[in-house]
Amino acid sequence: DAGVTQSPTHLIKTRGQHVTLRCSPISGHKSVSWYQQVLGQGPQFIFQYYEKEERGRGNFPDRFSARQFPNYSSELNVNALLLGDSALYLCASSRGGGGDTEAFFGQGTRLTVV
Amino acid sequence: QQQVKQSPQSLIVQKGGISIINCAYENTAFDYFPWYQQFPGKGPALLIAIRPDVSEKKEGRFTISFNKSAKQFSLHIMDSQPGDSATYFCAASDRGFKTIFGAGTRLFVKA
Repeated sequence: DAGVTQSPTHLIKTRGQHVTLRCSPISGHKSVSWYQQVLGQGPQFIFQYYEKEERGRGNFPDRFSARQFPNYSSELNVNALLLGDSALYLCASSRGGGGDTEAFFGQGTRLTVV
Repeated sequence: QQQVKQSPQSLIVQKGGISIINCAYENTAFDYFPWYQQFPGKGPALLIAIRPDVSEKKEGRFTISFNKSAKQFSLHIMDSQPGDSATYFCAASDRGFKTIFGAGTRLFVKA
């Protein structure tokens, strides 16, 4: 079985631009979570989607948005990029929606804002 | 109240030694405590997890010790190997949909 796949793997954007990151969960998994990991820090929770509905949101500005599609894949959108948005963006999928369900992470998308 | 505090930031252990990483939390609603291992350029991978109704869980060389009254839990890596050199994160979640991660511990095992 394929693991969690994220695309693209690397991305360079200019301040003020918009970016869309994509995630395909493991087959059979209905929950997708997004995390931001700044170099040298732990992942910070951004969103969780379960059965195509937003179930949790972290402490991020409204410039960050996400959605989940009928096939359970997900997109993370970030508008008006700032230099501080440079980070590794991780997607995790899990079978169920609760926080106590084992989560499998993708390799991440490395976003650099210049 | 949502934080998970992890220590030490970095750790150097001799091959064959025991690596110990500690975490503390405040939110008593947390009821699932996973540990993740992350290698450079990779996403975190689940190592072992525990629930607060158990004081200890062992899987191979990895053991979690859990102290519910102190709101602390720790990861012990027995017989540490150079291949264990990585960054380790503790985390905590409740029955909701948010997992809070510690800041991470960079472990280096000397051959």
